[in-house]
Amino acid sequence: DVKVTQSSRYLVKRTGEKVFLECVQDMDHENMFWYRQDPGLGLRLIYFSYDVKMKEKGDIPEGYSVSREKKERFSLILESASTNQTSMYLCASSLSFGAASYNEQFFGPGTRLTVL
Amino acid sequence: KQEVTQIPAALSVPEGENLVLNCSFTDSAIYNLQWFRQDPGKGLTSLLLIQSSQREQTSGRLNASLDKSSGRSTLYIAASQPGDSATYLCAVGSAAGNKLTFGGGTRVLVKP
Repeated sequence: DVKVTQSSRYLVKRTGEKVFLECVQDMDHENMFWYRQDPGLGLRLIYFSYDVKMKEKGDIPEGYSVSREKKERFSLILESASTNQTSMYLCASSLSFGAASYNEQFFGPGTRLTVL
Repeated sequence: KQEVTQIPAALSVPEGENLVLNCSFTDSAIYNLQWFRQDPGKGLTSLLLIQSSQREQTSGRLNASLDKSSGRSTLYIAASQPGDSATYLCAVGSAAGNKLTFGGGTRVLVKP
C-alpha cells in the first residue's frame, strides 16, 4: 500500500514565525503535491513537484515556498506565517504523468495548522 | 478553466438504501476522474479512479460511471451502511501535469 505521511497532525504557530510542513511518501512516486483545504473553498493546489529540485506553482502559491531535495520528501514552507494561513494542509503523491499506471493521487492524513 | 460541481452538498439516507452521488465538470478534455472519501478531520482516501477512455469502474459496493461528453460522473454505493457516512469528493485530472480540480464534496449521513 502507498503510504504518505505528514510530520504533524496538529500545529500551532504565532504570526511571523517560519513554519515547515514535511511530507514523506514511500512508493517512489515522482509527483508530489501540497493542497490546503478550507470550509466553503474546498481543496486548492499550492505547489507541486514532478521531480527532485523541480517545482511548479499551483493556484494559490502566494506566501508559500517548497523544497524537494530528495524524491521521497516534499516540504512546504511558510516564510512568515499569517492568520489567514490557518488551514488544513494536505500532501499527496502520484506516479509520473504518462506512466503505465493511472496517475492516481494518494493523500496523507493532513496537518491542521493554526496561526495565532 | 475547469470547474467541478457536486450537488447536493449534503445527503441523508436510511441504512440499506443505495446512494447516488453526482459530479459535473465543465471541460470534457480530462485525463481521468478520481473519487475520494474524507472522514472529519482526516485526509482523503482514494476510492476509484476512472481513466478518460473508460465508462465505469467498480470496487465492491462502489461503482463509478463517467460520461465525458456530458461532463458527468456518478458514484453509486449499494446497500449503504452507517460506516459510509463521510464526505465524498470527486476530482478531475487534467492532461497537463496530472493536476486535480476538486468539487466541493457531498456530505453523506447514513442513518441506522
